[in-house]
Amino acid sequence: QKEVEQDPGPLSVPEGAIVSLNCTYSNSAFQYFMWYRQYSRKGPELLMYTYSSGNKEDGRFTAQVDKSSKYISLFIRDSQPSDSATYLCAMSAKGYSSASKIIFGSGTRLSIRP
Amino acid sequence: DTAVSQTPKYLVTQMGNDKSIKCEQNLGHDTMYWYKQDSKKFLKIMFSYNNKELIINETVPNRFSPKSPDKAHLNLHINSLELGDSAVYFCASSQAIGGEAFFGQGTRLTVV
Repeated sequence: QKEVEQDPGPLSVPEGAIVSLNCTYSNSAFQYFMWYRQYSRKGPELLMYTYSSGNKEDGRFTAQVDKSSKYISLFIRDSQPSDSATYLCAMSAKGYSSASKIIFGSGTRLSIRP
Repeated sequence: DTAVSQTPKYLVTQMGNDKSIKCEQNLGHDTMYWYKQDSKKFLKIMFSYNNKELIINETVPNRFSPKSPDKAHLNLHINSLELGDSAVYFCASSQAIGGEAFFGQGTRLTVV
């Protein structure tokens, strides 16, 4: 079993829809949770960063972390064609050791239809 | 002003050659990483340095050797390149190990 599981998609939704992207994980030591957006032939771009459980909102993006279920989500409201990209979840544990490396999900390819 | 920059952006080389990729960050971060992204877009960590000290060394062939001359630079040297080394290599940095990481634009390595 992978440490971080993410549905690869592809996910196709109409413009304006609410998008829900999810990841599950197995390592209960994870404390930091991140979402990245990656356009084709570009580097991953950090979208959201949260620590421990709870919600965080930034514009049209909301990140949720449920540590009891080992489940994280990214919601995109009023989706735009420019949101079409691959979305990667990532997470890490605290501390100064190899255990605190950032582990990525396999990414979900999202397409917003105009 | 690019935060994490890596050179070259593209690298095409023959099997058996030795090549280097350079990375620099101007964010003042203490930690730098090398990640490999395969054709299925999966990002896998290779190495991590914190203040020039090697912290993470995943099961990477010893043909790959990272070098950090100072905390703003992390280079990757690859000896005896093989076809399977073809991938996109990303450099990244974060303020502390395991913290939010910022990525460079990638180096697309093709071994022929």
